[in-house]
Amino acid sequence: GAVVSQHPSRVICKSGTSVKIECRSLDFQATTMFWYRQFPKQSLMLMATSNEGSKATYEQGVEKDKFLINHASLTLSTLTVTSAHPEDSSFYICSVDAAAGDAGNTIYFGEGSWLTVV
Amino acid sequence: DAKTTQPPSMDCAEGRAANLPCNHSTISGNEYVYWYRQIHSQGPQYIIHGLKNNETNEMASLIITEDRKSSTLILPHATLRDTAVYYCIVRVFRTASKLTFGTGTRLQVML
Repeated sequence: GAVVSQHPSRVICKSGTSVKIECRSLDFQATTMFWYRQFPKQSLMLMATSNEGSKATYEQGVEKDKFLINHASLTLSTLTVTSAHPEDSSFYICSVDAAAGDAGNTIYFGEGSWLTVV
Repeated sequence: DAKTTQPPSMDCAEGRAANLPCNHSTISGNEYVYWYRQIHSQGPQYIIHGLKNNETNEMASLIITEDRKSSTLILPHATLRDTAVYYCIVRVFRTASKLTFGTGTRLQVML
């Protein structure tokens, strides 16, 4: 079953509005989550690192005031795209690091969220 | 994390083995090789990882050269459902959790 769940899977919003995407860690607590963005036919690009109880760390070139990240609990991080524009239309993916586990692979990805801004 | 180089695309006939190469000539001694794949419109899926020994699981085999500068992911009997973009990533085990994705290899499995 899914280890990381994202919601919504698809969303359409009007230009100028804000939209929130949730990332939930289902099987374990995660102090750190990661948000990626992927444009069509391109690779995943890391946007920011979400830290539970503290401010997110943004990658160079990513506007922190436009992409608001909240990590209020050990199982939930949210990404809010504010004042969305058509160029923000993309596939947004979160990942969680189950570093507390013993499994060889510790990084799990959500199913992704398609955002279309019209 | 070390950079990786992969061919942009490959084709494979269904039922045959798919061998996907990856070069990581600058890999450090404490970096593992990880493979993920991304089926269209889905999040990446973990396949396998290794340090220096060859590894095998229910999905694939990973062959790492003795000098660790390259590796090959082997899907022994490719099916149409294996059509995806395959990413080779090197990172220190259980650290540097933010992954740097290259362009990957787009594998097309054909009838």
